[in-house]
Amino acid sequence: QVQLQESGPGLVKPSETLSLTCTVSGGSISTYSWSWIRQPPGKGLEWIGYIYYSGETNYNPSLKSRVTISIDTSKKQFSLQLSSVTAADTAVYYCARGRTYFPHWGQGTLVTVSS
Amino acid sequence: EIVLTQSPGTLSLSPGERATLSCRASQSVSSNYLAWYQQKPGQAPRLLISGASSRATGISDRFSGSGSGTDFTLTISRLEPEDFAVYYCQQSGDSPWTFGQGTKVEIK
Repeated sequence: QVQLQESGPGLVKPSETLSLTCTVSGGSISTYSWSWIRQPPGKGLEWIGYIYYSGETNYNPSLKSRVTISIDTSKKQFSLQLSSVTAADTAVYYCARGRTYFPHWGQGTLVTVSS
Repeated sequence: EIVLTQSPGTLSLSPGERATLSCRASQSVSSNYLAWYQQKPGQAPRLLISGASSRATGISDRFSGSGSGTDFTLTISRLEPEDFAVYYCQQSGDSPWTFGQGTKVEIK
């Protein structure tokens, strides 16, 4: 059974770059797409973007100017970078397997943007 | 972008009752790229339905999805205690993928 685990700082200062990594275990990282989704505290879900194992990406236009998703198949990891963060970027960030729908999710990691 | 509007916001029901959740899209969702998720407090969402009506692996047949175009429905035939949660619909027919705001199913 595939498992995903997010890792990265839980606190980021305003205007800095949020960086998270998702490690995949129990299955191949190749032949699938991998996504990031976030959820502000007490609110709904927002799709951030996905990356195919080949490197092809698709980002939410609302975040596109600030987002980079990358993949390292040798390490079975994919990563999220979100630049110039503000308090509005405070959320639980989930990594997930899938492109159009998401059958496998990480447990999520809370990232707070605060000085 | 496609806006998904879920109704009602909260559904108060008793165990054993039938739950009917609605998801309406601002424009047609192509190829039925419509999914439903269940989320419990402190947990990641769990995929229930994809392609509008196909149950995900391991999902009870108490859950069923239907609909097409702009109107979709998730039905829980007989509520079990573990079904009380928040439910989200999600479309991926047109980028950006979007989620509904959620329907909370609470114990009456």
